[in-house]
Amino acid sequence: DAGVTQSPTHLIKTRGQQVTLRCSPKSGHDTVSWYQQALGQGPQFIFQYYEEEERQRGNFPDRFSGHQFPNYSSELNVNALLLGDSALYLCASSSPTSVGGALPYEQYFGPGTRLTVT
Amino acid sequence: AQSVTQLGSHVSVSEGALVLLRCNYSSSVPPYLFWYVQYPNQGLQLLLKYTSAATLVKGINGFEAEFKKSETSFHLTKPSAHMSDAAEYFCAVRGSGWGAQKLVFGQGTRLTINP
Repeated sequence: DAGVTQSPTHLIKTRGQQVTLRCSPKSGHDTVSWYQQALGQGPQFIFQYYEEEERQRGNFPDRFSGHQFPNYSSELNVNALLLGDSALYLCASSSPTSVGGALPYEQYFGPGTRLTVT
Repeated sequence: AQSVTQLGSHVSVSEGALVLLRCNYSSSVPPYLFWYVQYPNQGLQLLLKYTSAATLVKGINGFEAEFKKSETSFHLTKPSAHMSDAAEYFCAVRGSGWGAQKLVFGQGTRLTINP
């Protein structure tokens, strides 16, 4: 059973560019959340997608947008990159049902994508 | 609104000594609480979770945590530290209803194990 996968592993971009990060959820999961983890900080919630719609959003500007596809995979897009966008971007998937001792909406994290903006 | 505060950004213990990582939470609703571990250049791995079933929660790798409502705390402990425990540890809180699934994380505590 594959867990949450993310691509690419690492990415280097220049200020002002746009970037797209990808996430495939754990098998059986239909909800995807994205988090930003700046160096030396805890992860911060960006947004959550369910049924191909953004359901919740954290305190991030509109430069951060996303998409969820019919197969539940998701993309995170960041426009007009700033130096401060350099971070580890984590994807987490979950299910509204409780399976195998997991809580409803218990989040399973992928390995992350390290984005460096120069 | 929910939040967590981790006391101590760095904790250093000797191999074989007790590990204690502190977490205090704030929540307007009964919380779910979590401890995650992050090894260098990796994602987050769930150590244990509190779901109101029991106040003392046992997790993986010999870690456990006790939920104390009166102190709004959920401290993580391990009786005997091992070199492989060196990592970053995050406490997190979330609610239980629809619209409350986002995790709110603390700043993290870096655990160093001295030989």
